[in-house]
Amino acid sequence: EVQLVESGGGLVQPGGSLKLSCAASGLTFSGSAVHWVRQASGKGLEWVAYIRSKAKNYATGYAASVRGRFIVSRDDSKNMAYLQMDSLKTEDTAVYYCTRHVEYDHTDYWGQGTLLTVSS
Amino acid sequence: DVQMTQSPSTLSVSVGDRVTITCRASQDINRWLAWYQQKPGKAPKLLIYTASTLDTGVPSRFTGSGSGTEFTLTISSLQPDDFATYYCQQYRTDWTFGQGTKVEIK
Repeated sequence: EVQLVESGGGLVQPGGSLKLSCAASGLTFSGSAVHWVRQASGKGLEWVAYIRSKAKNYATGYAASVRGRFIVSRDDSKNMAYLQMDSLKTEDTAVYYCTRHVEYDHTDYWGQGTLLTVSS
Repeated sequence: DVQMTQSPSTLSVSVGDRVTITCRASQDINRWLAWYQQKPGKAPKLLIYTASTLDTGVPSRFTGSGSGTEFTLTISSLQPDDFATYYCQQYRTDWTFGQGTKVEIK
């Protein structure tokens, strides 16, 4: 089955760290950017970060709300993408989705999401 | 940053109604706009990209239009499966989503 599968979510205390993973199955990340999007319960979609393709020098970008705390990375040889989250805050609590965005085209796949809860 | 203003926030409609949702960008995004449908507990589903291109398998009752800063999603005749929340998204510079429009049963 062609899909993206996120993992690594869970319960973390404020100030803690967690690393999310996104595995591509039946498709490849090569030639595409990977974006992370989150959604707090009952709220709208919020873009978090992206990492572009090798052709675009793996350029990264971050939302102001996470810049300096989150780091996005990828390993195309493993068809994996990651989101390292440090200095977590309660407001980071959300379902986190990874997506594949074909460069200069459109987003063609979303994962099912993984839940991060930041609470003491 | 590009801001996206989506309206209305809620629409109460009946099956068969024509539905129009509007999205306004704070600056020119050309046609780098997508529309998504989301149902509770599910990931967003792409409906339209580059403002008016229907994604594969999306029914033709969905149409998108606009360019620059003003965009519209129209559902020509609402079907029972269309009750959901809809989001616009710009991808000209980073990504920004609209606040969402919940289409609910009247």
